[in-house]
Amino acid sequence: AQSVAQPEDQVNVAEGNPLTVKCTYSVSGNPYLFWYVQYPNRGLQFLLKYITGDNLVKGSYGFEAEFNKSQTSFHLKKPSALVSDSALYFCAVREDNYGQNFVFGPGTRLSVLP
Amino acid sequence: KAGVTQTPRYLIKTRGQQVTLSCSPISGHRSVSWYQQTPGQGLQFLFEYFSETQRNKGNFPGRFSGRQFSNSRSEMNVSTLELGDSALYLCASSLALRATGRGTEAFFGQGTRLTVV
Repeated sequence: AQSVAQPEDQVNVAEGNPLTVKCTYSVSGNPYLFWYVQYPNRGLQFLLKYITGDNLVKGSYGFEAEFNKSQTSFHLKKPSALVSDSALYFCAVREDNYGQNFVFGPGTRLSVLP
Repeated sequence: KAGVTQTPRYLIKTRGQQVTLSCSPISGHRSVSWYQQTPGQGLQFLFEYFSETQRNKGNFPGRFSGRQFSNSRSEMNVSTLELGDSALYLCASSLALRATGRGTEAFFGQGTRLTVV
């Protein structure tokens, strides 16, 4: 079975500093990896995905993620954090060929301090 | 383009009752999935429908059921509610087709917050 780990429950970063939210995965075949963000009392918003190709994926709101096959990681990054980036971030992997049954990580709460 | 719409946003039910939640996907999306989000278990997959057929089902008891209509709108039903069913229920839709499903992102609604007392 596929799985996703987010080793940090909480990440704190100062505004203007770079941020990284970590994700590692375990799959039997080729991974399809996603990052979503959740703001309080809201659903999940899609940030970016990796299917194939370039290891550096660019997404919404200045976020990017680096796919590393040898380390089975897909870390989310942003060069300069904003206070408004404070939210809950989820890494997810696709489970099968046709369905939408994502397997989500436990989430990482990002706090950007002014 | 309207997003995924879930109704109602909030519900309070009593143990033993049943509840029906509704989801209207983005226009043109034929795949609808449901997830349960709780502080303890995180985000867990319930089921997925595509063209009125259930394609996948998560590890939930039979009290949890769903269906999809010809216009792609979906409902999920929980019977004999338990306190542990209190959660945020999220619906997601996508353009996922048979050939490209795995790489297609899903768009989530704001969820229905169910409280069982």
